[in-house]
Amino acid sequence: DTAVSQTPKYLVTQMGNDKSIKCEQNLGHDTMYWYKQDSKKFLKIMFSYNNKELIINETVPNRFSPKSPDKAHLNLHINSLELGDSAVYFCASSPETYPNTDTQYFGPGTRLTVL
Amino acid sequence: KQEVTQIPAALSVPEGENLVLNCSFTDSAIYNLQWFRQDPGKGLTSLLLIQSSQREQTSGRLNASLDKSSGRSTLYIAASQPGDSATYLCAVTRGGKLIFGQGTELSVKP
Repeated sequence: DTAVSQTPKYLVTQMGNDKSIKCEQNLGHDTMYWYKQDSKKFLKIMFSYNNKELIINETVPNRFSPKSPDKAHLNLHINSLELGDSAVYFCASSPETYPNTDTQYFGPGTRLTVL
Repeated sequence: KQEVTQIPAALSVPEGENLVLNCSFTDSAIYNLQWFRQDPGKGLTSLLLIQSSQREQTSGRLNASLDKSSGRSTLYIAASQPGDSATYLCAVTRGGKLIFGQGTELSVKP
């Protein structure tokens, strides 16, 4: 009965590879997010989708491409991985509609290490 | 550009102490302010949410205040316990986005 789940939990890969992180929420929420937490623990929003539509796209390299096949899933695909992409990536969802979002429910995070 | 700052970056206290964590933000046009808790290797858990029209919220031993005009919020933890050890993150919501501070790492010693 996990609310927001992410797979994998850990991802170790070589520079230049392409990888995906999956996120699913079973809360029936319309809005989903991807956040990146860097080595200094600073959390920053990357993308937000509302009902499968991209509504927030921060200044993120276009090697990062989110995909929402349905409103319960928001996947993150990363091309040509670089050392600086090493971080913890969090998925979140919210029951409210953009821009009036209140509570956000976070997944457990995916720790990506690029060697 | 909205910036959120948390002071101190780290705090170590003996069990039983009352403590205050501070958060400041540069733009008062916020929708709400939230305090989160993050345990090592885990996701974030929302502790308290204060709407922009509210001044404070309480939950158990936690009390959060909001002063929009001065751009400040505090999280007060009463009678701290070792189980309170975690990183506490403050975040403001603006334009549908959560903007986070860098957190205060709290350690409560038995």
